[in-house]
Amino acid sequence: EAGVTQFPSHSVIEKGQTVTLRCDPISGHDNLYWYRRVMGKEIKFLLHFVKESKQDESGMPNNRFLAERTGGTYSTLKVQPAELEDSGVYFCASSPILAGQETQYFGPGTRLLVL
Amino acid sequence: AQSVTQPDIHITVSEGASLELRCNYSYGATPYLFWYVQSPGQGLQLLLKYFSGDTLVQGIKGFEAEFKRSQSSFNLRKPSVHWSDAAEYFCAVGDTGGGNKLTFGTGTQLKVEL
Repeated sequence: EAGVTQFPSHSVIEKGQTVTLRCDPISGHDNLYWYRRVMGKEIKFLLHFVKESKQDESGMPNNRFLAERTGGTYSTLKVQPAELEDSGVYFCASSPILAGQETQYFGPGTRLLVL
Repeated sequence: AQSVTQPDIHITVSEGASLELRCNYSYGATPYLFWYVQSPGQGLQLLLKYFSGDTLVQGIKGFEAEFKRSQSSFNLRKPSVHWSDAAEYFCAVGDTGGGNKLTFGTGTQLKVEL
């Protein structure tokens, strides 16, 4: 079974540019999460999809970040325009919907550097 | 709000020595607790998890963790460390109130000396 995949693995952009990150969850996982780790800090929750609906977007830093999950399959996270403080590693995770706590399976992350 | 503290940013142990990584959490109810590991260039891999029941949890790669409610701790242990265990380790608490989002600690970087 394929794991969670993320594309690109690395991205280097200039301040003010736009970047779109993609996440493909494990097939059949209706829950999809985005997290971010800024250098030297903890991994922080950004948002949670259940199928195509945003369940919780309380962690989104500001309106320069837009996440979508059309059709309830893969998800994209767009940063527009990018700022220096957006640099970090963006992780995606997915889990099935089960009774009780589901285990989240993480992708390898996208390393974003904004210059 | 829930929080996780990993007091040790860096730990160095000799290969074959025992290991204990500390994790303390703050959560209003019975927590769901996780340990993840990130090897260089890799994603986060689940080592073990605690939802309920037996407070001593066994995981992959010979790791175990013990949930101690009285101490709000969930320390990770391994009796004999291998060089391949060098990685960054993250403790996390799950939001049982719905949504299941994870709150992570800042991570502990483990170095193994040969």
